[in-house]
Amino acid sequence: GQSLEQPSEVTAVEGAIVQINCTYQTSGFYGLSWYQQHDGGAPTFLSYNALDGLEETGRFSSFLSRSDSYGYLLLQELQMKDSASYFCAVIKAAGNKLTFGGGTRVLVKP
Amino acid sequence: DAGVTQSPTHLIKTRGQQVTLRCSPKSGHDTVSWYQQALGQGPQFIFQYYEEEERQRGNFPDRFSGHQFPNYSSELNVNALLLGDSALYLCASSTFQGNTEAFFGQGTRLTVV
Repeated sequence: GQSLEQPSEVTAVEGAIVQINCTYQTSGFYGLSWYQQHDGGAPTFLSYNALDGLEETGRFSSFLSRSDSYGYLLLQELQMKDSASYFCAVIKAAGNKLTFGGGTRVLVKP
Repeated sequence: DAGVTQSPTHLIKTRGQQVTLRCSPKSGHDTVSWYQQALGQGPQFIFQYYEEEERQRGNFPDRFSGHQFPNYSSELNVNALLLGDSALYLCASSTFQGNTEAFFGQGTRLTVV
């Protein structure tokens, strides 16, 4: 089978840094993606890691360790608008089929 | 570019009925995937269409079926609706090869009563 584990909820204050960890067990692996979803909204793509290492996109960075089946999303300089659910998702094959984790709800407080 | 569009946005059906949801992918995309998202959970993959064929399927019963048209748009059909089918149904478009970013529509909120 396959599974992805991530924390259910994280609370932090504006300006802080939050790290959302994701561990996965899957047969077959192309890469790990991260999506953001605001309440009532559509998931939107944040990042994708196919190789080990850190990918940086503005305030958000994502890391992957294939040998450890582990990745994380780093949110820096938190803003109120970053309050949302964040999902890690494994891509196993061509066609961009996504297997999602249960999501981490991030609450940013003033 | 209109992005991914889904219709309708909301729908209420009765148990046992059938429903059809529609999705138009982002311009230039040839692959449509459907997901079911229950409240407070991550999206679950239903199936994927490419070149008008179902390419991959998740762990959903045969009551869930779909179609892709020559213009790449897609339909999701659910027969014999159950209360447990109440969820947000998301459509995601991408290109089949070499693209790792999926673009999601706003979803159809289906309520079965």
